Amino acid sequence: GENVEQHPSTLSVQEGDSAVIKCTYSDSASNYFPWYKQELGKRPQLIIDIRSNVGEKKDQRIAVTLNKTAKHFSLHITETQPEDSAVYFCAATRMDSSYKLIFGSGTRLLVRP
Amino acid sequence: ETGVTQTPRHLVMGMTNKKSLKCEQHLGHNAMYWYKQSAKKPLELMFVYSLEERVENNSVPSRFSPECPNSSHLFLHLHTLQPEDSALYLCASSQMLGPSNEQFFGPGTRLTVL
Repeated sequence: GENVEQHPSTLSVQEGDSAVIKCTYSDSASNYFPWYKQELGKRPQLIIDIRSNVGEKKDQRIAVTLNKTAKHFSLHITETQPEDSAVYFCAATRMDSSYKLIFGSGTRLLVRP
Repeated sequence: ETGVTQTPRHLVMGMTNKKSLKCEQHLGHNAMYWYKQSAKKPLELMFVYSLEERVENNSVPSRFSPECPNSSHLFLHLHTLQPEDSALYLCASSQMLGPSNEQFFGPGTRLTVL
């Protein structure tokens, strides 16, 4: 079945530095890739998503890139701030069954002030 | 209250108990989901309901029994659970099933099975 691998499992960066989280998916038919952020003790929330017809999408300090050939996609956070500290989950799915999100195992990001 | 709510927030139960988790969404959505979140594991989709009909049962043991009496409420009935079922159970909803429909999560129920 579909599998999504996410790395690293933990990431510590200095405030102001950039952070990159990478995910690899196994199903070549996957074409929708959302990212969720879960702060400590809070619910996961969608922060950005990308579809396979584009290679990059940006939203202020957050960007996601997609390499369909290599079947991997990445989350980039620039100018990190302490409030970016959270667990980030990537997911992959097919547009025709996108309720069935296959999640990565999560990356715990710590931004040191 | 707005959004997706879940009760109880914490639950401790013995293996012989029967309990239920409740989820309510105040967003007018038509699809609802149950996920299991275990430590250091990916979120696992358990059940999906669309317009009160179950569309997914992701190989979940029968000791978990979902119920969706209407589009705003979703229950997860628990009986004879095992310690490995201890986890955070998250409910989510979306406007419809489909790629452009963001899933909104509830705060979760932290379940401990003794």
